[in-house]
Amino acid sequence: DGGITQSPKYLFRKEGQNVTLSCEQNLNHDAMYWYRQDPGQGLRLIYYSQIVNDFQKGDIAEGYSVSREKKESFPLTVTSAQKNPTAFYLCASMARGFDQPQHFGDGTRLSIL
Amino acid sequence: DQQVKQNSPSLSVQEGRISILNCDYTNSMFDYFLWYKKYPAEGPTFLISISSIKDKNEDGRFTVFLNKSAKHLSLHIVPSQPGDSAVYFCAARGGADGLTFGKGTHLIIQP
Repeated sequence: DGGITQSPKYLFRKEGQNVTLSCEQNLNHDAMYWYRQDPGQGLRLIYYSQIVNDFQKGDIAEGYSVSREKKESFPLTVTSAQKNPTAFYLCASMARGFDQPQHFGDGTRLSIL
Repeated sequence: DQQVKQNSPSLSVQEGRISILNCDYTNSMFDYFLWYKKYPAEGPTFLISISSIKDKNEDGRFTVFLNKSAKHLSLHIVPSQPGDSAVYFCAARGGADGLTFGKGTHLIIQP
């Protein structure tokens, strides 16, 4: 059945290492998004992509990078430049059209050791 | 500065009663508003939305009201059920980019 798959559910990395979070969708949605959630906070936008081979910075893009080589995939790399990478990362996608909601995956919890 | 504010971190409601969750926004460019429900360690689930051209949208037990002049929206859940216990996020969109979220309200339904 259709949906958004984020993997892995939990990820541990040593400080100073880059790490890539996977996001795949089979909903045929054009737009994809990455958000970060910290305890007691709302979701904050990291990057988004409206179409293949194009993406834009969100509110907190520093220390992150993305690619959009395929419509169904939007991986997020957390680089060593991200000062506080431990967080819950959520990927979303949205269909084209007026007033469409974003639909979310189940998230990846990243912990830096 | 927070453009979307949910001023109640938590709300406790008795089962069967009405739950009212509130949200205020400051950006006049927002034209589409959404409510999401979230459990710990899971992604948000879309509940209901409203366009700025409307003042009410209803879906089953859920109704969202929008007061543009006051820059205020609310989510009503009637009747409240134990499974409604979760964190509820208000979100707004003002263009082609992503959503702006409030910090959430933890709704607790008491038996």
